[in-house]
Amino acid sequence: DGGITQSPKYLFRKEGQNVTLSCEQNLNHDAMYWYRQDPGQGLRLIYYSQIVNDFQKGDIAEGYSVSREKKESFPLTVTSAQKNPTAFYLCASSILQGNQPQHFGDGTRLSIL
Amino acid sequence: AQSVAQPEDQVNVAEGNPLTVKCTYSVSGNPYLFWYVQYPNRGLQFLLKYITGDNLVKGSYGFEAEFNKSQTSFHLKKPSALVSDSALYFCAVSRINQGGKLIFGQGTELSVKP
Repeated sequence: DGGITQSPKYLFRKEGQNVTLSCEQNLNHDAMYWYRQDPGQGLRLIYYSQIVNDFQKGDIAEGYSVSREKKESFPLTVTSAQKNPTAFYLCASSILQGNQPQHFGDGTRLSIL
Repeated sequence: AQSVAQPEDQVNVAEGNPLTVKCTYSVSGNPYLFWYVQYPNRGLQFLLKYITGDNLVKGSYGFEAEFNKSQTSFHLKKPSALVSDSALYFCAVSRINQGGKLIFGQGTELSVKP
């Protein structure tokens, strides 16, 4: 079955620690996205990538980093510079044409220890 | 600037009654519009989209949406609500040549009571 896999489902971060969230897709989509979801704030775009080895900042990129070394993979690192990392993180992918929907993974919930 | 507004944080309906979840947008040019549903601790699931053509769009699970260009609205509707429709609903808009990027509304919590 084609889809997007996010792991882990739950993640805990200690103070000063970097953590990496995994996102893998087998839909052959060119574009991939990371969103942060907080209660009452909808989805906010962190980073996106439209092609391998290239990515752009979204609306709230500070304290986060990404890489896109393979078409299928778009990991997100939450660095120690992100002072309020507790949130639900969603990865999505799509073809580049804007008339097609994004497909979402089931998310990673990050909490602070 | 592009934006999407969902004016109601929560909508409550009785099972069997019709439901409407409202969405308005602000974007220059012709938008592509989407509705998604999210169940607790899950990702977003695509329900339906408007690209062009007929203003009434039918989607998954009996949902439909009506595009109104003059009112810049794209309200989600269902003739008869089910308890299992209770979830968080998001409206989103993209533009031509935006490479698939979406702008999301804040979300509306739909609660259907038996």
